[in-house]
Amino acid sequence: AQSVTQLGSHVSVSEGALVLLRCNYSSSVPPYLFWYVQYPNQGLQLLLKYTTGATLVKGINGFEAEFKKSETSFHLTKPSAHMSDAAEYFCAVSGFSGTYKYIFGTGTRLKVLA
Amino acid sequence: GAGVSQTPSNKVTEKGKYVELRCDPISGHTALYWYRQSLGQGPEFLIYFQGTGAADDSGLPNDRFFAVRPEGSVSTLKIQRTERGDSAVYLCASSALGGTGVREQYFGPGTRLTVT
Repeated sequence: AQSVTQLGSHVSVSEGALVLLRCNYSSSVPPYLFWYVQYPNQGLQLLLKYTTGATLVKGINGFEAEFKKSETSFHLTKPSAHMSDAAEYFCAVSGFSGTYKYIFGTGTRLKVLA
Repeated sequence: GAGVSQTPSNKVTEKGKYVELRCDPISGHTALYWYRQSLGQGPEFLIYFQGTGAADDSGLPNDRFFAVRPEGSVSTLKIQRTERGDSAVYLCASSALGGTGVREQYFGPGTRLTVT
C-alpha cells in the first residue's frame, strides 16, 4: 500500500530561521506530490505541487520543495520563518495506480518562536 | 470565485442517530472527494465521485456510510447509526482535470461531527 511519512509531528524554529519539514513516500512510480497547510479551524490550502518537469518547485508564502526520486522524498523548506507560518503542514501523494485520491501524511505542526 | 463550501460547520448528534453532511463544490469541477480527519491525524480518503457516479468508494469504513451526488454537483455524505468513533472533521474537496492529468484538489472548511 502507498504511504506517506512525515518525520517529526512537531517542529519548532525561531523566527527568521530555516524551516525544513520532511516528507517521504513509498511508491513504485513517481507520483504527484503536494504540500498543504492547515490553519486552526480552517480547511487545507495548497502550498505547492510537483507533477512533472522541474524537480524544485516554488509555492506560495516563500515555500519551496524538491522532488528527489532516488530518495523518494519531497521535503518542504522556507529560508526564513515568519510568525504567520505557524500551522499544520500535510504532505500528500496521488496519481498512483490510476487513482487521483490523496494519501496524506500524519502532519507536522510548525511552531515559530519569537 | 466561490470555493468549496460545507454545511453544517459543526454537528453534534447522539449515538445511534442519522446525520447528513453537505458539500457544494467549486462550480464546474467534475470530481468530488470526501475525507475524514481524526484528531491528530492526516485526512483519510473516503470516497471519490466523477460526475454523478462513485468512481472509488474504497475508503468508506463500513456500510453505515453512504454518499450521493445525484446531479453531479452537490454531494451528501450520510452516516447511519452514528458511533462515538465517527467523531471527526469531514472534509470535502473538488477538482478539475488539469492539463497534465493531475487533479489538484481544493478543500472546504470541513464539518466537525461530534457524536455523544
